[in-house]
Amino acid sequence: QQQVKQSPQSLIVQKGGISIINCAYENTAFDYFPWYQQFPGKGPALLIAIRPDVSEKKEGRFTISFNKSAKQFSLHIMDSQPGDSATYFCAALRSGSARQLTFGSGTQLTVLP
Amino acid sequence: NAGVTQTPKFRILKIGQSMTLQCTQDMNHNYMYWYRQDPGMGLKLIYYSVGAGITDKGEVPNGYNVSRSTTEDFPLRLELAAPSQTSVYFCASSGGAHYNEQFFGPGTRLTVL
Repeated sequence: QQQVKQSPQSLIVQKGGISIINCAYENTAFDYFPWYQQFPGKGPALLIAIRPDVSEKKEGRFTISFNKSAKQFSLHIMDSQPGDSATYFCAALRSGSARQLTFGSGTQLTVLP
Repeated sequence: NAGVTQTPKFRILKIGQSMTLQCTQDMNHNYMYWYRQDPGMGLKLIYYSVGAGITDKGEVPNGYNVSRSTTEDFPLRLELAAPSQTSVYFCASSGGAHYNEQFFGPGTRLTVL
């Protein structure tokens, strides 16, 4: 059972545009929602994360929007740059579960120059 | 700090062979994880450990074994390799002040022929 659904699978954006990646979860016990960024040949790295008691978190050009009632959260990349081209994974964690992350299936973002 | 290191980077196995994927972290993290990453499938948890001497199964443990004799090391053993185990394997660790953030190694690309 896929507990975190991510879309789209791939995304192409022009330089300077806004990239939006969406995720939906099923388990209401999740209480930590990170986004990971992965460049080719590298391991994923934490980009930004949010807890369900806030609706938005912004770090530079990256923003997470969180809708607890809809069980959805999204990553917005403002002023997208070619260096942002990577695979992005949303994830969810339930405290007390040995901090196990449940990952979405990933979105391959390409930012055209 | 080297962070999380994995060896080897690449390996080709024949069906039925065995091998051990090595993982070491120097951050004194209690939690360690093994994932496999297949195209379009995100990361699936194979095994995890909450401390030396304690391991447990994740979502896809069949065909794998782990041990955790020290805080630093968390090797993954493949017995009787099968083509279905062709994948990229990532080790991760978490702990300390940023206890929800998982730090990933660079991965091992395994092909079983």
